[in-house]
Amino acid sequence: GAGVSQSPSNKVTEKGKDVELRCDPISGHTALYWYRQRLGQGLEFLIYFQGNSAPDKSGLPSDRFSAERTGESVSTLTIQRTQQEDSAVYLCASSLVRGQAGAQYFGPGTRLLVL
Amino acid sequence: DQQVKQNSPSLSVQEGRISILNCDYTNSMFDYFLWYKKYPAEGPTFLISISSIKDKNEDGRFTVFLNKSAKHLSLHIVPSQPGDSAVYFCAATPGKGANNLFFGTGTRLTVIP
Repeated sequence: GAGVSQSPSNKVTEKGKDVELRCDPISGHTALYWYRQRLGQGLEFLIYFQGNSAPDKSGLPSDRFSAERTGESVSTLTIQRTQQEDSAVYLCASSLVRGQAGAQYFGPGTRLLVL
Repeated sequence: DQQVKQNSPSLSVQEGRISILNCDYTNSMFDYFLWYKKYPAEGPTFLISISSIKDKNEDGRFTVFLNKSAKHLSLHIVPSQPGDSAVYFCAATPGKGANNLFFGTGTRLTVIP
């Protein structure tokens, strides 16, 4: 498909388990972002990748969160030892070049529920 | 600390009338503002933006107004159509080239046919 895709679309897990969320950006987009949206709140920035540069991890809420991206392709967001407060929709976005905030294309999100 | 605020969680408007969605921000470093629209089970899609050097930007039925002194922006949709029913997010960034966006909590717009 032509858009940003994310998998799984829904994930239910038990507290303490690790989860891995995947994002396939639009082909050719060098910038990739992860956000999360908790219930009743706005989107929170988590992490940003631009090509082979060091990622901007300033939004990651704790060291249980990590993300990887190889080159300009797929990214995975990993949450270790999940907690109930991690329940949220995790959104991935990509853009053609760095910093084109208005040109961020979002995926449909992964809805994570931690029991 | 919510730096971008949308104080109206919902808004209902008759088809053909004007919809006005409001947004306030607290960080004076923000200088680029965006509106996103989100349908259920989809990611947000970019709608319109405005730089702090302007006070108005128009694109078809959508106009964004920026009042820097009041740290307030608004999105006007006229005429409103049933297909405009969605959640609208206001976002801000300290520079068009910044890495991340700061989002409001969203306003759910319902346009009644």
